[in-house]
Amino acid sequence: GQQLNQSPQSMFIQEGEDVSMNCTSSSIFNTWLWYKQDPGEGPVLLIALYKAGELTSNGRLTAQFGITRKDSFLNISASIPSDVGIYFCAGQPPGGTSYGKLTFGQGTILTVHP
Amino acid sequence: GAVVSQHPSWVICKSGTSVKIECRSLDFQATTMFWYRQFPKQSLMLMATSNEGSKATYEQGVEKDKFLINHASLTLSTLTVTSAHPEDSSFYICSASAGTSYGETQYFGPGTRLLVL
Repeated sequence: GQQLNQSPQSMFIQEGEDVSMNCTSSSIFNTWLWYKQDPGEGPVLLIALYKAGELTSNGRLTAQFGITRKDSFLNISASIPSDVGIYFCAGQPPGGTSYGKLTFGQGTILTVHP
Repeated sequence: GAVVSQHPSWVICKSGTSVKIECRSLDFQATTMFWYRQFPKQSLMLMATSNEGSKATYEQGVEKDKFLINHASLTLSTLTVTSAHPEDSSFYICSASAGTSYGETQYFGPGTRLLVL
């Protein structure tokens, strides 16, 4: 099946620093979604991207849908301790038997030191 | 908006018993819901796609007789783990698909922790 390569796998940063993570794919996607998951909880949607080249912000978070439709990045500015968690990218392929299904990246574990 | 609930949040059962997990979309209707399984420190693994009014579609390697899915209404899907065994212990998460004018988005429930003794 399709694979999403998400990097980095983990990040250890100081409070106040900016964070950047990205996902790349060998196949195109129609939608890119970024989620955050806290321990023992389900993923929470952070940002949804629907058009190639789209750049969207949600507070301190900014994400972009790559122009080739095969990649996306998420930036977090001025990190705070509550940003700690696992961040997942997810891509939704074009129509066909996989329509509606999400392919997930491996996740980026973010640790923020006060 | 776009809230998905799951019940129960955690369950402990004896080997051989069946466990039912409910997934509800609280403020929107979802013709499609998805069931995932997640092992510690790993990503989400799609088990099946639940379609309202029709049979679920299972991913390769997922036993349909083991994991029974019923999508009885536009706001409710249930996953029943039949004759559970310790290897079925896991974190099960559902999601519901919501359409916007831009495209489809999946919203996740809080998950159900299953421990089979």
